[in-house]
Order: sequence, then C-alpha cells, then structure tokens
Amino acid sequence: DTGVSQNPRHKITKRGQNVTFRCDPISEHNRLYWYRQTLGQGPEFLTYFQNEAQLEKSRLLSDRFSAERPKGSFSTLEIQRTEQGDSAMYLCASSLNREARTGELFFGEGSRLTVL
Amino acid sequence: RKEVEQDPGPFNVPEGATVAFNCTYSNSASQSFFWYRQDCRKEPKLLMSVYSSGNEDGRFTAQLNRASQYISLLIRDSKLSDSATYLCVVNIGGSSASKIIFGSGTRLSIRP
Repeated sequence: DTGVSQNPRHKITKRGQNVTFRCDPISEHNRLYWYRQTLGQGPEFLTYFQNEAQLEKSRLLSDRFSAERPKGSFSTLEIQRTEQGDSAMYLCASSLNREARTGELFFGEGSRLTVL
Repeated sequence: RKEVEQDPGPFNVPEGATVAFNCTYSNSASQSFFWYRQDCRKEPKLLMSVYSSGNEDGRFTAQLNRASQYISLLIRDSKLSDSATYLCVVNIGGSSASKIIFGSGTRLSIRP
C-alpha cells in the first residue's frame, strides 16, 4: 500500500498522559499536513511541513502540541499532558508542491484519540 | 470570523433534485479553491478544484466569485451515492506557501 499511513489508528489514554502519533506520507510527497477533526466539524488545520521545515503552526495549538518531521519523510505529532478536549480524530495528509497548489491532499485514515 | 464558512445543513433532498452549496472565505489573498467530499467515518477526498471562470465535471459545477469571496457547488440530478459531507477548501497561502483551510462542511442526504 503506497498511500498515507497513520499509527496508531486508535489511542485511549488517561488525562495527563502524553501521546504520540506517527504519519508516513506518500514517499515522493514533500508537503505534510496535520489536521484535527471532531464530530460534525471539518478538519481543523494544525501545522504543515515542506520537507523537514515546519512552515506554519496554528495559533489554536497550545504549547502542549508539537510536531516534527526530522528527515523530511515521516512525521510525529506529540500531545503532552492530554486533556479531555484533545479527544478527536487526528488526520495527516501529504502532497507534492504543485499538487498542494492545486489542492490535492492525500489523507491517511486518521488516528482517533480518546482522553478519559 | 472564520477563514472559511459554510452552511452546515443538513440538506435532505430527493433523488434527481438539484442542490447548491455556498461557501465564503475571509482572506482576499487566497489563491486557490476546492471542494472535497467526506463520507461517514472516512477521510476527505478531492472532488474538484474551483476555477475563476467556473468549471464543470459531469453533474457537478463549481463557481468562484472573487469580488464577493464566495464559492459555490451545484449538483444536478442527484444520486443516492452523493450523500456525504461536502467541504469547502481554500489555500490561503501565496504561490510558494500552502496553508490549506477546510470549512466545517455541509451535510447532504439524498432520499429515494
């Protein structure tokens, strides 16, 4: 399967714990995006990378959230000291430069986080 | 004001009907515009891009009005399989940037 892969698919954690999600984009894609989606809402932009550079981070994101893409390939999204409000689906998407301009993002199936 | 705003619906229309969705965006520097479709419990997928002159893809027609910062999607002769959430998407970055923002989505349900 050469699509976008996300792990784990589901994560249940207790409030206050740290969690980390991983995203493996389509191999030749240089842009990688993280979004958060809750029920009845569209994907909410969190951050995006071009290669290993993090180009923008949402102001909605607290300091508890951090994302990395160390070698310009896979990416991780870490949430520290989780809160119940962090419960959501975390979506990763990737694209090539020119396809990002044309808007075609390829999404993974998402990582669902439940904070108890 | 949200960067991309849509009527959440739901729209519930009979098979064969024509239905239209609207979307507004706040950043006048936005470069490109799209409609995505998201099925229940699935990831979003690109439906079509929206060009300044308007564009059509089969039963789907997209329009852009830059002066009013308004985007629309028209679905003709709707099918049961068109039931989904339709997401208005805007690239608010410049030509070298690419911050892609999604609206909250409009739910469409087609009834037999």
